[in-house]
Amino acid sequence: DAGVIQSPRHEVTEMGQEVTLRCKPISGHDYLFWYRQTMMRGLELLIYFNNNVPIDDSGMPEDRFSAKMPNASFSTLKIQPSEPRDSAVYFCASRRQGTYGYTFGSGTRLTVV
Amino acid sequence: GNSVTQMEGPVTLSEEAFLTINCTYTATGYPSLFWYVQYPGEGLQLLLKATKADDKGSNKGFEATYRKETTSFHLEKGSVQVSDSAVYFCALSERVGSQGNLIFGKGTKLSVKP
Repeated sequence: DAGVIQSPRHEVTEMGQEVTLRCKPISGHDYLFWYRQTMMRGLELLIYFNNNVPIDDSGMPEDRFSAKMPNASFSTLKIQPSEPRDSAVYFCASRRQGTYGYTFGSGTRLTVV
Repeated sequence: GNSVTQMEGPVTLSEEAFLTINCTYTATGYPSLFWYVQYPGEGLQLLLKATKADDKGSNKGFEATYRKETTSFHLEKGSVQVSDSAVYFCALSERVGSQGNLIFGKGTKLSVKP
């Protein structure tokens, strides 16, 4: 298995632009998580899905952030409009129900200038 | 609510030194406990886990024992290597199944010098 695949690895964008981050979870995993990591705040859970349905989005910082999972093999995290304080590394992770193991992607490093 | 507290870093050690990274937790039930490791430029990887009191998780020379009486899960390694330089995260999960989601500590950065 190729693991959790995130794209792009790096994204630099100007303030006000729309940014879309992508994630392909491991096949057969029915939970998908989006995390944000910064030096100041550490690792924050933004939202998670179970069987493609959003379960808890209480970590999404503002209405500028939205996430979708149209099918079991794809999810997006969108920021519109982006701001410099959104600069962070965004991780996607997946797991199979009934197991403990999270598998993380390699992350997308977002820089908003 | 549930939470994890781990020692602040960074921790800087010489090669072959003994490592301890402290982790304590607060949980209402009987959580499972984990250590994850993040190497530079990568995502988090599961290092070891323990699912009940007095269990010892071990992997790659690292060990941690689930201590219910002290609500702790300290990470130890007898002799660190330069390749162990990474950020280490302690985490808990209340239960497997639909609510088996992880709560992470803030991470402790370890730097090992040759």
